[in-house]
Amino acid sequence: KNEVEQSPQNLTAQEGEFITINCSYSVGISALHWLQQHPGGGIVSLFMLSSGKKKHGRLIATINIQEKHSSLHITASHPRDSAVYICAVRSSSGYALNFGKGTSLLVTP
Amino acid sequence: DAGVTQSPTHLIKTRGQQVTLRCSPKSGHDTVSWYQQALGQGPQFIFQYYEEEERQRGNFPDRFSGHQFPNYSSELNVNALLLGDSALYLCASLPGLAGGLNYNEQFFGPGTRLTVL
Repeated sequence: KNEVEQSPQNLTAQEGEFITINCSYSVGISALHWLQQHPGGGIVSLFMLSSGKKKHGRLIATINIQEKHSSLHITASHPRDSAVYICAVRSSSGYALNFGKGTSLLVTP
Repeated sequence: DAGVTQSPTHLIKTRGQQVTLRCSPKSGHDTVSWYQQALGQGPQFIFQYYEEEERQRGNFPDRFSGHQFPNYSSELNVNALLLGDSALYLCASLPGLAGGLNYNEQFFGPGTRLTVL
């Protein structure tokens, strides 16, 4: 069983919709990352957080350490948000990032 | 600042050959991690280099080896290539403990897509 589970695996939304992607993990962590990957491979870091909530533009990331759960929200979604969104955690006992399998998001006009 | 750079962009090899992939970290970063991403999967940790030493290794065979140079750039070597080694290989750099509160933040390169025939 992967240490990091994401849901949903695939998501299709209409432009303007509010989107939520969930991430659950099973180990103690020092940080959780939300990343965006476009076709072609490049990965961009969206958020790194270890507690609470962060906001950047239309993106909001939250984490609940006690419940080992994080969510990524996209408000007023746009077709350019279409990408794979990946949750990754760094355990408190190591240096590696453990990745979820990603959520493939398609936003249609 | 060029960010994290990787070379080559694409590579085609045949089974049994050896390959070397290269990574230059973001300016100011001293730590480099390598990841393998198979099609449709999340990246898998291969190893991390810090101060020219392998600091942690993932569940990969000894055919995968690496090196870090004094300028913090890094190489990933894969020997005796198998068809299953076909993947996108990602390099990520981070500032290490010198980065203070940001020491966890990782910056990824564009990747090298390796195809083994």
